[in-house]
Amino acid sequence: SQQGEEDPQALSIQEGENATMNCSYKTSINNLQWYRQNSGRGLVHLILIRSNEREKHSGRLRVTLDTSKKSSSLLITASRAADTASYFCASGGGGSNYKLTFGKGTLLTVNP
Amino acid sequence: NAGVTQTPKFQVLKTGQSMTLQCAQDMNHEYMSWYRQDPGMGLRLIHYSVGAGITDQGEVPNGYNVSRSTTEDFPLRLLSAAPSQTSVYFCASRPRTGGANVLTFGAGSRLTVL
Repeated sequence: SQQGEEDPQALSIQEGENATMNCSYKTSINNLQWYRQNSGRGLVHLILIRSNEREKHSGRLRVTLDTSKKSSSLLITASRAADTASYFCASGGGGSNYKLTFGKGTLLTVNP
Repeated sequence: NAGVTQTPKFQVLKTGQSMTLQCAQDMNHEYMSWYRQDPGMGLRLIHYSVGAGITDQGEVPNGYNVSRSTTEDFPLRLLSAAPSQTSVYFCASRPRTGGANVLTFGAGSRLTVL
């Protein structure tokens, strides 16, 4: 079964606004990752946060992780039309646990 | 550096036909995997390999075979295609050691089974 579940399933905002997507997972993790998928393309890795980290930044991206609630959030600040894509969280045990389990994704639409 | 290359990009099959989806990577990654993506289902792991000669099943392996004779290639075989296998298939790879389990994905292969 899918471990990660994103919320909301779809999000529509105006350019310049912030977008927040949430992810929940069920079992212990080594790290949690976020990927982006443009329509008709493969997934591209955005950011990874380890289980001993609470917050991480990369450019306009901010990821938080709450292992007690088994949840993570991805914040995209000052969104642009080019940010329109599906965003997936992925969780895995890391190390010798090679499997990465993906959620169902959030479709973000940024209107110009 | 091509990364992960998948062929074909599009394929239409009739029920019962067989075919092979090709995946090749030029990054010397030991770990390779196949996912399928269906609407509302996210990505589900079909099979994976941690090195040449080693393969294992993922979440939805039924109806699919894999082999790993070289580090570079990881083909996915459908022996007798069924309409339920209509999907977009993604191959992904990563190094076996060093860093976290961050995957590099191919562009995908869209398969329709009639």
